Amino acid sequence: EIVLTQSPTTLSLSPGERATLSCRASQSVGNYLAWYQQKPGQAPRLLIYDTSNRATGIPARFSGSGSGTDFTLTISSLEPEDFAVYYCHQRRNWPLTFGGGTKLEIK
Amino acid sequence: QVQLVESGGGVVQPGRSLRLSCAASGFTFSSYDIHWVRQAPGKGLEWVAVIWFDGSKSNYADSVKGRFTISRDNSKNTVYLQMNTLRGEDTAVYHCATETSGWPDYWGQGTLVTVSS
Repeated sequence: EIVLTQSPTTLSLSPGERATLSCRASQSVGNYLAWYQQKPGQAPRLLIYDTSNRATGIPARFSGSGSGTDFTLTISSLEPEDFAVYYCHQRRNWPLTFGGGTKLEIK
Repeated sequence: QVQLVESGGGVVQPGRSLRLSCAASGFTFSSYDIHWVRQAPGKGLEWVAVIWFDGSKSNYADSVKGRFTISRDNSKNTVYLQMNTLRGEDTAVYHCATETSGWPDYWGQGTLVTVSS
């Protein structure tokens, strides 16, 4: 099973700042990595797929990069609605797995 | 618009069974794979199972393999998750999701399963 480790667990930033979230895989996932955003009481929302492609309707301030085992989600300038939990997800190997999540909170 | 609605959750005793349903609308259901993903209270996301668009294949997380069975009825636009020999650690909100983009991109709001005596 591919283990995805996200860091940091919690990230405290202010609106307008840049957020950098990390996801490290225990073995290569190629570019088969996605990022999701989840707010309390809501279903997850797909942000980025195949490492760097924004999903439909996702603002340009969200970007993804990386390959192999190291991936990054960057939010260029935080908006109030961006404070949430973010998960990475791989579909390179069965079983599919999610990272443990990074909580992005307002400083 | 794409809509997925889960049902069938509830309180069940350890060792018993439960069947969840996921009713879909707003897209060509028979063309897309469907996933189940769960989230224990206060915890992260855990992928559970997937079924191919035509029902020909399925895959499971190790934690549920041999206990859970995913199936679908394309004539009813519905996917099912049969959960047997339930354990306390199966307590979670269960979401179904479709992958119109190759990734789970449309999700239902989920149904809560509580395994407790």
